[in-house]
Amino acid sequence: AQSVAQPEDQVNVAEGNPLTVKCTYSVSGNPYLFWYVQYPNRGLQFLLKYITGDNLVKGSYGFEAEFNKSQTSFHLKKPSALVSDSALYFCAVRFSGGYQKVTFGTGTKLQVIP
Amino acid sequence: DTGVSQNPRHKITKRGQNVTFRCDPISEHNRLYWYRQTLGQGPEFLTYFQNEAQLEKSRLLSDRFSAERPKGSFSTLEIQRTEQGDSAMYLCASTIDRVRADTQYFGPGTRLTVL
Repeated sequence: AQSVAQPEDQVNVAEGNPLTVKCTYSVSGNPYLFWYVQYPNRGLQFLLKYITGDNLVKGSYGFEAEFNKSQTSFHLKKPSALVSDSALYFCAVRFSGGYQKVTFGTGTKLQVIP
Repeated sequence: DTGVSQNPRHKITKRGQNVTFRCDPISEHNRLYWYRQTLGQGPEFLTYFQNEAQLEKSRLLSDRFSAERPKGSFSTLEIQRTEQGDSAMYLCASTIDRVRADTQYFGPGTRLTVL
């Protein structure tokens, strides 16, 4: 079984400050990890993914995420938040062994305050 | 726009009616996925196609649900005898299997409301 936990329903951050959205996962074997963003009335947009190699992954719109195997975490980060980053963020995991099922977390609403 | 498209965007139906949704993936994407998303939750995997073959199905996909991808291009998801609990956003995603951990590209979704 595989699962994802996003412990914070909402994260508030002031514009210009660094932001972190937390994600922990559970999967048998090596994981593929993803972050997606969802704006109101729009589909999910891919931000970044971890497959293997460098633990720090850089993605779209200045976002990055750090894979930590010992803590089974894949936190999303950005050095300086923009008001336009306000959205719903989903972490997702997939077992690397062949099954295609992707399991998503429940989402974290990011609110960037001007 | 050559992204994933879904139709209709919204569907309101009465309990007991059948509904069908369509998904057109990105051209040349051979993998297609259906998810269901309810308020306050992340997308839940329903089923997956590789070309026209349905290879994985979630236990969420009861016998009232059926999905097809007859020619390996567009897909349809049918729900028979709809129930109020079927009210949700139904998302479609597609990808191509050229690389590992292929990124799934999502459509805008079909919002189903069962009265």
